[in-house]
Amino acid sequence: DGGITQSPKYLFRKEGQNVTLSCEQNLNHDAMYWYRQDPGQGLRLIYYSQIVNDFQKGDIAEGYSVSREKKESFPLTVTSAQKNPTAFYLCASSIENQPQHFGDGTRLSIL
Amino acid sequence: AQRVTQPEKLLSVFKGAPVELKCNYSYSGSPELFWYVQYSRQRLQLLLRHISRESIKGFTADLNKGETSFHLKKPFAQEEDSAMYYCALQPFYNQGGKLIFGQGTELSVKP
Repeated sequence: DGGITQSPKYLFRKEGQNVTLSCEQNLNHDAMYWYRQDPGQGLRLIYYSQIVNDFQKGDIAEGYSVSREKKESFPLTVTSAQKNPTAFYLCASSIENQPQHFGDGTRLSIL
Repeated sequence: AQRVTQPEKLLSVFKGAPVELKCNYSYSGSPELFWYVQYSRQRLQLLLRHISRESIKGFTADLNKGETSFHLKKPFAQEEDSAMYYCALQPFYNQGGKLIFGQGTELSVKP
């Protein structure tokens, strides 16, 4: 059961450090998404990309950056500007007009 | 503003009892609505979408445009239904395919 692979499963960030979360999909989906999941707040959209070399900010993009150099990859960098990065991060992908498929997530914590 | 509200953080029922997880939305057009489920230690997965009008694992959901609701129902709850449930809205004109999620409702089915 491949689909969407997120790595690592757990990640720790030191003060002032940038960290990158990996998301790879083998579903040949054009669109990819990053969400942040916090208790009691549901999922909030960070960034999304509908096509290679193009991406848009979601509702909470500040302190994050992304790239989409390949169709199958959509890495998310949590920069030092993100003051409250501790959360569960979910990556998803989809093709047009179809539901999104989600990865297993990465849990980011502060050291 | 586009918003999804799940008023119950936690819903606890006994096995065999009826279940209704509430979802209300705010959107000026005609959205597409989904229910996603996250079982313990599993990834978020699609449960059902309103355009399919199908029943999955005994769950149904009817879109009520007058009340702007999309409540999830099951006549007889099972212990394996215990999970986190998220209602999600996708704007009809597919703004990048992004989803707007509610805060989630944790369903606990007791034996």
